[in-house]
Amino acid sequence: SQKIEQNSEALNIQEGKTATLTCNYTNYSPAYLQWYRQDPGRGPVFLLLIRENEKEKRKERLKVTFDTTLKQSLFHITASQPADSATYLCAPPEAGNKLTFGGGTRVLVKP
Amino acid sequence: DVKVTQSSRYLVKRTGEKVFLECVQDMDHENMFWYRQDPGLGLRLIYFSYDVKMKEKGDIPEGYSVSREKKERFSLILESASTNQTSMYLCASSLGTSGSEHEQFFGPGTRLTVL
Repeated sequence: SQKIEQNSEALNIQEGKTATLTCNYTNYSPAYLQWYRQDPGRGPVFLLLIRENEKEKRKERLKVTFDTTLKQSLFHITASQPADSATYLCAPPEAGNKLTFGGGTRVLVKP
Repeated sequence: DVKVTQSSRYLVKRTGEKVFLECVQDMDHENMFWYRQDPGLGLRLIYFSYDVKMKEKGDIPEGYSVSREKKERFSLILESASTNQTSMYLCASSLGTSGSEHEQFFGPGTRLTVL
């Protein structure tokens, strides 16, 4: 099965700056990778999916890259806002429509 | 609007009790999942189901069982609750098209405390 590594330390960032989160996987190269946002005490919410043949994907202030050579995906929040404070999870697929979730990186945006 | 609901937000049970956690989705999804989430351990898959009456073990099925009698409902059962099953339990659903990349929709979670 896939092993996912996300920075377990919280990322503290000033409002307006860009937050960059890293997701590294160690086994097979997935066909795609999903990113989720989770607020305290709530279930994760899907944000973006990037496929292996896509170098970059954008959604509003979010940008995801996928480097199959490095076995890494980067998640960027540009012009960050306090409302972006949450934990962000990356999730590549396993067989049978399952996902493997990383431990997540907590982001705290300070005004 | 897509919706996954769980029967309780908070639940307190005693060691040895049989516990039922219910999950209902209104999206006609084939796949349903049960996870538990613990600090430092992330989301771990307990069981999932890809069709009515079908189930498969996830990464940590010990001490749990599941039931899926109807497409929209997926139940997680703790046969004899133990203190190490104190956790946040999350249910999710997704479309089941073969080879699909479908996102998972999560419920709000049930925080279970076993005393």
